[in-house]
Amino acid sequence: IVVTQSPATLSVSPGERATLSCTTSLSVTDKLAWYQQKPGQAPRLLIYDVSTRATGTPARFSGSGLATKFTLSISSLQSEDFAIYFCHQYNHWPLTFGGGTKVEIK
Amino acid sequence: QVQLQESGPGLVKPSETLSLTCSVSGDSINNYYSTWIRQTPGKGLEWIGYFHSSGTNYNPSLKRRVTISLDRSQNVFSLKLRSVTAADTGVYYCAIHRSWASAFFENWGQGALVTVSS
Repeated sequence: IVVTQSPATLSVSPGERATLSCTTSLSVTDKLAWYQQKPGQAPRLLIYDVSTRATGTPARFSGSGLATKFTLSISSLQSEDFAIYFCHQYNHWPLTFGGGTKVEIK
Repeated sequence: QVQLQESGPGLVKPSETLSLTCSVSGDSINNYYSTWIRQTPGKGLEWIGYFHSSGTNYNPSLKRRVTISLDRSQNVFSLKLRSVTAADTGVYYCAIHRSWASAFFENWGQGALVTVSS
């Protein structure tokens, strides 16, 4: 399953909303997760099963979608949110990840 | 909380075998799918495979070169990747998940940078 993320880079001002997209080449039903990665760190799980926030994920992060089209929204960007975001499908083996969206300060 | 820590050589020569170990603390690895994931400049995040009591499962793209094994007495699991090339250079993460159907990763190691070079 090919996982495609867009855009590759998103320039956003602090306090603004960010919307990241993830598309899969086949339906993954609701088996989709989002991760945040900062330089020199491992990915951190934010959301699983499309829309369930992981422990410690702030409420400003929300996930939506179904089948092949998914969205991660960050309602009001904070300084600590500037990072790379990956989506990951776990409905089909081998597991696959998107190429990432870098959210940078505008 | 479960914690994971990778260890192993940071430099491997082409055609040789990359070997890494993941030490797990806070719970028994018997309860998890013990997984390796890598992040390379060429392919980004790539799932390598897992070891579980039900068996192993490897990425078809790497299957002929990979072995993942467990040492339950030490609560560690290991990765061996044979016949490496420069394309295998990257950061290797160990990670775990509890359920085959919910194969997302809440627990990761900090990552081990491995460079393939002579």
